[in-house]
Amino acid sequence: AQTVTQSQPEMSVQEAETVTLSCTYDTSENNYYLFWYKQPPSRQMILVIRQEAYKQQNATENRFSVNFQKAAKSFSLKISDSQLGDTAMYFCAFIKIQGAQKLVFGQGTRLTINP
Amino acid sequence: EAQVTQNPRYLITVTGKKLTVTCSQNMNHEYMSWYRQDPGLGLRQIYYSMNVEVTDKGDVPEGYKVSRKEKRNFPLILESPSPNQTSLYFCASSSRGRQRNEKLFFGSGTQLSVL
Repeated sequence: AQTVTQSQPEMSVQEAETVTLSCTYDTSENNYYLFWYKQPPSRQMILVIRQEAYKQQNATENRFSVNFQKAAKSFSLKISDSQLGDTAMYFCAFIKIQGAQKLVFGQGTRLTINP
Repeated sequence: EAQVTQNPRYLITVTGKKLTVTCSQNMNHEYMSWYRQDPGLGLRQIYYSMNVEVTDKGDVPEGYKVSRKEKRNFPLILESPSPNQTSLYFCASSSRGRQRNEKLFFGSGTQLSVL
């Protein structure tokens, strides 16, 4: 079975700083996708970024980028120039290409951006 | 506007009183699923459906039922709710379940409290 671990329950940084959220996963699969979702206080689930495991190049979306280390099974999210609106719960998620159709989520990291 | 609509947003009930949480999507998506979110555990899949009349269990199906009689609707039924089903519930859908990197559209969540 696949597992996703986020070892930082909470983080806090000052506005405009760069912050990195950690995520590790365990799988025997070779082909899969990884995601970061943002959940602000409104509870809405927002897709931030996704990465295909077969791509070596790290995905980027504006101020958000990932550091994908397939051998180490690590998938961290870097937020540059953090903004107050980045305050949210962040979830790392994994889905394999074959077999059961489900996203496996990590426990979440609560990120607070301070003014 | 493309959306997944869940109702109700908040629900307080008592042990043993049957309830249904409705979920409807207007995007003609084949794939729909239900997740529950608990502190420290992230989101866990309850049930999913690949198409009309096709449903399957996720990781935590005990105590829940689903049905998929129409493509747009995927209700979650708790026949005899218990306090351990107090949780935040999300419905989600995507266009082609077999494309694992397809974006999942989430509903706005239902906060359920079972007393």
